[in-house]
Amino acid sequence: SAVISQKPSRDICQRGTSLTIQCQVDSQVTMMFWYRQQPGQSLTLIATANQGSEATYESGFVIDKFPISRPNLTFSTLTVSNMSPEDSSIYLCSVPQGWGNYGYTFGSGTRLTVV
Amino acid sequence: AQSVTQPDIHITVSEGASLELRCNYSYGATPYLFWYVQSPGQGLQLLLKYFSGDTLVQGIKGFEAEFKRSQSSFNLRKPSVHWSDAAEYFCAVGAQQAGTALIFGKGTTLSVSS
Repeated sequence: SAVISQKPSRDICQRGTSLTIQCQVDSQVTMMFWYRQQPGQSLTLIATANQGSEATYESGFVIDKFPISRPNLTFSTLTVSNMSPEDSSIYLCSVPQGWGNYGYTFGSGTRLTVV
Repeated sequence: AQSVTQPDIHITVSEGASLELRCNYSYGATPYLFWYVQSPGQGLQLLLKYFSGDTLVQGIKGFEAEFKRSQSSFNLRKPSVHWSDAAEYFCAVGAQQAGTALIFGKGTTLSVSS
């Protein structure tokens, strides 16, 4: 199964600034998913990123706030823009494993604290 | 609407006792079902998954889960809990078509008492 390297693992940021989170996959994958896990909550899908096309955002998430880059089949970035304390969460990327949807691999997550 | 319900927010079990975590789903298509575990400060680890076939699936760390289509349930079980099992457990559902994202339940926090 794919292995994902996600960076940074954690960060403390000032409000109003932006943070870019990177996910590097050790194999080519068509789709990559970005999730947010707010404190004490479950995972919520932010967007689906396909290589070569615009990311598809879920309701409540917009490109201006969470721009996503997907330059190739092994790499993606998620930027959290103009941060506020409400953005303090764990952000995770995920990719499907293999063909036929045999499961999903998750990055180790980025724990973001906005002060 | 597609959703996953984990009715128990927090469960405390004595070490050595059996465990069952409940999961119910609502999904328009034939579901793929997953259980993930998240230890404090750690990422998500896949415990087990169900795609088809035998409705009782075995996973890692001695966990198993049973798919009951008639009840739209996928409950996680372990016969004897260890202190190291204390963690957050998430049930998730996805479509059989490749490339669709998972829908997660809100999670169940498991505490293990000695």
